[in-house]
Amino acid sequence: SQTIHQWPATLVQPVGSPLSLECTVEGTSNPNLYWYRQAAGRGLQLLFYSVGIGQISSEVPQNLSASRPQDRQFILSSKKLLLSDSGFYLCAWSVEMRSGPTSYEQYFGPGTRLTVT
Amino acid sequence: AQKVTQAQTEISVVEKEDVTLDCVYETRDTTYYLFWYKQPPSGELVFLIRRNSFDEQNEISGRYSWNFQKSTSSFNFTITASQVVDSAVYFCALSVNRDDKIIFGKGTRLHILP
Repeated sequence: SQTIHQWPATLVQPVGSPLSLECTVEGTSNPNLYWYRQAAGRGLQLLFYSVGIGQISSEVPQNLSASRPQDRQFILSSKKLLLSDSGFYLCAWSVEMRSGPTSYEQYFGPGTRLTVT
Repeated sequence: AQKVTQAQTEISVVEKEDVTLDCVYETRDTTYYLFWYKQPPSGELVFLIRRNSFDEQNEISGRYSWNFQKSTSSFNFTITASQVVDSAVYFCALSVNRDDKIIFGKGTRLHILP
């Protein structure tokens, strides 16, 4: 069965510090991978998604970046955090579309709660 | 463009009551998929159901049921005999054919009071 991991679970970082959040998926190949952010009491905001190694699509211009160095690894980074980067970060995966079904649900990891102070 | 509207921001009901969460979607595509997710206080989103646009049959899973009506572009979710463990934020979502992304509604926060 497939599992998705995220770490760390919680993080407190000062403004201006760097960030690296990691997401890995097990039990599947060539997944689509997604990063979302959820501000307190708000909905989900899609930040980045990737349909393959090295392929990153950015949905919202900001000081965050994403990378996919391996098939089942997705990393969210920042060189300098802002207060507004605080939130709950969720990674998700779905079946790769091009050779599979036309659309499938996304499965989410446990999330990372980031507080920028 | 696609859009999902969950007009109910927050709902509170007493345990054992039935509750319906509304979801209205917009799309011009004829092939699309609808989803419901549950986000308990722990934070992780849990997938509940997927429906494609060609299958309007209602579905029941235990105390959960879903009513898909293309005529009104709605995909409502009913919890029968609610329990405190049903307290969570519920998201309705939409994706269209061959799109890699899912459009989420803003969510409905459901409080089940003991």
